[in-house]
Amino acid sequence: ETGVTQSPTHLIKTRGQQVTLRCSSQSGHNTVSWYQQALGQGPQFIFQYYREEENGRGNFPPRFSGLQFPNYSSELNVNALELDDSALYLCASSDGWKANVLTFGAGSRLTVL
Amino acid sequence: GESVGLHLPTLSVQEGDNSIINCAYSNSASDYFIWYKQESGKGPQFIIDIRSNMDKRQGQRVTVLLNKTVKHLSLQIAATQPGDSAVYFCAENVHGGSQGNLIFGKGTKLSVKP
Repeated sequence: ETGVTQSPTHLIKTRGQQVTLRCSSQSGHNTVSWYQQALGQGPQFIFQYYREEENGRGNFPPRFSGLQFPNYSSELNVNALELDDSALYLCASSDGWKANVLTFGAGSRLTVL
Repeated sequence: GESVGLHLPTLSVQEGDNSIINCAYSNSASDYFIWYKQESGKGPQFIIDIRSNMDKRQGQRVTVLLNKTVKHLSLQIAATQPGDSAVYFCAENVHGGSQGNLIFGKGTKLSVKP
């Protein structure tokens, strides 16, 4: 059974650029949630995808968007990057949108200069 | 406002001792709580969970206690080992909310001295 895998592991962007982060969910999981974790903080919920549709969103602006594909993998896109977007972006998968237990990937570390 | 917080940002214990990590929550509508462990360079890893209709739940070397009266959650680790060194987060899920929307606290860093 494979876990949640994310790519890239690290990347550096400049202010105003766009970034796409990718996530492959754990085998058998059909729901993906994305979290942003600033340094020294707990993860903050961005949004969740179930059956290729957004199924809940946290307090993040529209320039944070996502996709889920038929194989349940997912992308997080961030447009017009700001310095405060520098963080670890975590993807978590679960078996159904009602599942409470999330399996997290190791994250993508984004630095915005 | 709705928040999950921790009383102690850092905790240092001797190997073999018991550890207690505390967490306060403010949303009385929360009906599910989880403890996660995050090691350096890794994502959060599930440790144990508890529903609001329970006061205590035990796992292997870990126990979670829930006191709804004072909105307090604790994680007890028995016979703490060096491998337990990590940041521990409590998280809550508000009843009726999106199941993926866990509200995390800031975390407590546990350091185990050999």
